[in-house]
Amino acid sequence: GENVEQHPSTLSVQEGDSAVIKCTYSDSASNYFPWYKQELGKGPQLIIDIRSNVGEKKDQRIAVTLNKTAKHFSLHITETQPEDSAVYFCAASKNAGGTSYGKLTFGQGTILTVHP
Amino acid sequence: GAVVSQHPSRVICKSGTSVKIECRSLDFQATTMFWYRQFPKKSLMLMATSNEGSKATYEQGVEKDKFLINHASLTLSTLTVTSAHPEDSSFYICSARKGVNEQFFGPGTRLTVL
Repeated sequence: GENVEQHPSTLSVQEGDSAVIKCTYSDSASNYFPWYKQELGKGPQLIIDIRSNVGEKKDQRIAVTLNKTAKHFSLHITETQPEDSAVYFCAASKNAGGTSYGKLTFGQGTILTVHP
Repeated sequence: GAVVSQHPSRVICKSGTSVKIECRSLDFQATTMFWYRQFPKKSLMLMATSNEGSKATYEQGVEKDKFLINHASLTLSTLTVTSAHPEDSSFYICSARKGVNEQFFGPGTRLTVL
């Protein structure tokens, strides 16, 4: 099955700096890679995603890059703000079909702390 | 939009009782919903996949008779923790799949079994 590794487990930055979180996956058939932000006591919130036919996607201060050959993808947050502090999870999945159902395999999570 | 609700947000129950958690997709239909369990400072652990009109598919090690799942409509899935015990205390989160990939999560339910 799919295995997703996420690094670092904790990341501390100063407000205004950039933050980068990296993930690797094992199943070359995976074609969908979302990133979720989870605040304490809440459910994960989808912040950005990328599909395997695209190498990079950007949404304001957030960007995701995908290297299919190396099987890794990264989340980039620029101009970080204290409200970006949360746990971030990467995930990987294949399209729903057959018995796949589009299950997500999650990374271990990264605790991001942005210091004012 | 893609909004998923869960009810209740918190529940405290006595050992031996059963607890039902509801997951609703509010603005889209979801053929498939997923139930996760999350321990403190850990990642999400998939418990089961809930498909509308058919039996749920459970992950290895998850007792299907303990965690009953019903997906009776395209907008509602329920998880019932039967004969709950303190070790079942956890944060339970559902998600609903929109399209072939995207999953949107509910706010979670904190279960405490005394």
